Amino acid sequence: QKEVEQNSGPLSVPEGAIASLNCTYSDRGSQSFFWYRQYSGKSPELIMSIYSNGDKEDGRFTAQLNKASQYVSLLIRDSQPSDSATYLCAVNSYQKVTFGTGTKLQVIP
Amino acid sequence: DTAVSQTPKYLVTQMGNDKSIKCEQNLGHDTMYWYKQDSKKFLKIMFSYNNKELIINETVPNRFSPKSPDKAHLNLHINSLELGDSAVYFCASSQGIAGAHGTGELFFGEGSRLTVL
Repeated sequence: QKEVEQNSGPLSVPEGAIASLNCTYSDRGSQSFFWYRQYSGKSPELIMSIYSNGDKEDGRFTAQLNKASQYVSLLIRDSQPSDSATYLCAVNSYQKVTFGTGTKLQVIP
Repeated sequence: DTAVSQTPKYLVTQMGNDKSIKCEQNLGHDTMYWYKQDSKKFLKIMFSYNNKELIINETVPNRFSPKSPDKAHLNLHINSLELGDSAVYFCASSQGIAGAHGTGELFFGEGSRLTVL
């Protein structure tokens, strides 16, 4: 079983819609959870961190964490073409940050 | 002023050669990492250093030699390069050790694309 799992996509949404990205993780001892955005040919960039169960909102982004279900999600409201990128879920445990394989998001104008 | 900088950005070399990548961060962080991103875009940790001390060596072949002369610098030397070493190598830094004292929020360099022919 992979430590961090994501659907590779691509996930296509029309401009202005809500994009929903999902991630599951295997280690129940994981403490911190992150979403990184990576544009093609660029380096990953941290966009959201979440540490406790529930929702955390930052602008158009909402991260959701459910530790009982070992599930993390990212919602992007009012999706824009500039949001088109690969979104990497990352989980912090055992002194390292482990990444999922990423979900490619395409926002169609 | 670039927070995490890597050099060189591109390396093209023949199998069997040796190459080095250098990384420097000016964020004042005490932990630095090397990650490898393969052609399928999977980002996998290779090494981490905290205050010049090796914390993680993630079953990487010993052809790969990291070195941290101080907490702001982390270099990677690769001996006897193989075709499978072709990838983008990312340096990253954080404040504190992920999972321990730190939160694991990583700041990445621009990456060094290694092509082995």
